[in-house]
Amino acid sequence: GQQVMQIPQYQHVQEGEDFTTYCNSSTTLSNIQWYKQRPGGHPVFLIQLVKSGEVKKQKRLTFQFGEAKKNSSLHITATQTTDVGTYFCAGRLETSYDKVIFGPGTSLSVIP
Amino acid sequence: DSGVTQTPKHLITATGQRVTLRCSPRSGDLSVYWYQQSLDQGLQFLIQYYNGEERAKGNILERFSAQQFPDLHSELNLSSLELGDSALYFCASSVGLEVFPANEQFFGPGTRLTVL
Repeated sequence: GQQVMQIPQYQHVQEGEDFTTYCNSSTTLSNIQWYKQRPGGHPVFLIQLVKSGEVKKQKRLTFQFGEAKKNSSLHITATQTTDVGTYFCAGRLETSYDKVIFGPGTSLSVIP
Repeated sequence: DSGVTQTPKHLITATGQRVTLRCSPRSGDLSVYWYQQSLDQGLQFLIQYYNGEERAKGNILERFSAQQFPDLHSELNLSSLELGDSALYFCASSVGLEVFPANEQFFGPGTRLTVL
């Protein structure tokens, strides 16, 4: 079946280091969204990417959508302790309006 | 605070029972979405209602049902509960009718359901 995978599953970084999480889909996505969930909290929408090859920036966060619209990445520059949490990608299948699949998430720990 | 409220915060019940989870969307939002988050399955989209009508169905079991009332609050009914239904249930809301809204969708704090 259709799957969305994320790597790595866990990442521990020293504060100030960069962090990247990758989202890979087995099928083409019409668009992709990224969410952040703090421990014990609820998902918070970060951004949506729609176009092939699209790159968007939010302060220290850079989001990219692959040319084939099957993968995406989130890069955080100079991590801070406030970046701690799980980062999820979610995509809607190009072939199915109702089919929204979430990745399993990458859990980020930042060591001060 | 996202403006989306969910009650109750925690629910403990036994297998075979039925429970109702409630969600009030942000003021002005017409769409309500229900999600299930479990340790083994991750976050899964269950169902969406827009202005009182079912808009999209995800991985919702037949034992589960939902509705959205004229005041736009929504309820998720879970029946014949099984151990595997233990999870966090999130409700989210957005302004538009898209199943995967281009604008933000705002999540509530969730209801933690434990089935014993």
